[in-house]
Amino acid sequence: ETGVTQSPTHLIKTRGQQVTLRCSSQSGHNTVSWYQQALGQGPQFIFQYYREEENGRGNFPPRFSGLQFPNYSSELNVNALELDDSALYLCASSWDKGTDTQYFGPGTRLTVL
Amino acid sequence: GQNIDQPTEMTATEGAIVQINCTYQTSGFNGLFWYQQHAGEAPTFLSYNVLDGLEEKGRFSSFLSRSKGYSYLLLKELQMKDSASYLCAVRFPGGYNKLIFGAGTRLAVHP
Repeated sequence: ETGVTQSPTHLIKTRGQQVTLRCSSQSGHNTVSWYQQALGQGPQFIFQYYREEENGRGNFPPRFSGLQFPNYSSELNVNALELDDSALYLCASSWDKGTDTQYFGPGTRLTVL
Repeated sequence: GQNIDQPTEMTATEGAIVQINCTYQTSGFNGLFWYQQHAGEAPTFLSYNVLDGLEEKGRFSSFLSRSKGYSYLLLKELQMKDSASYLCAVRFPGGYNKLIFGAGTRLAVHP
């Protein structure tokens, strides 16, 4: 176990709705990265938060947004859900924004109907 | 674009040795990671290479050749619990910890 936790475990939403996913980083880690993993694919980088600021973004539209709190936990928000947003959402924490190994949480399985 | 290639599936026998290859063509490089992922679970860190050569960690070893854009993960003394997907990921330079993953190699270990 990595000490990274995510909630909820599973979620079912309908197209057009909004969703918030949560991540608690491992103790001592100040950086959280979010990834989307479609079935049968590798994870794709969404964005990274370092000390409450967005510190890098992948090729995802603005309806994917995030927050990081003073205790370094983080939220991923997705607006106007689309069917293709159905995936496993993983967060990963590390103690440094650029060079440390990332440790993943168990993920949130999002299904959009 | 960024390209990371791995075989889609491999099978091996319990007790044997298997090598999973990964080739990459990326616009930047700041290290290569291997993760293990059991179905429906989070990726678990296995190994990290940033310099050329072999890194050994128990039953697992990983090799990197930066000039060839090539890495492999070697698993020895295979066990049934090693049946999982193995993900190769390249970290980008630039001050943030962005990993670009391959699609993963599904390894099935049979008795």
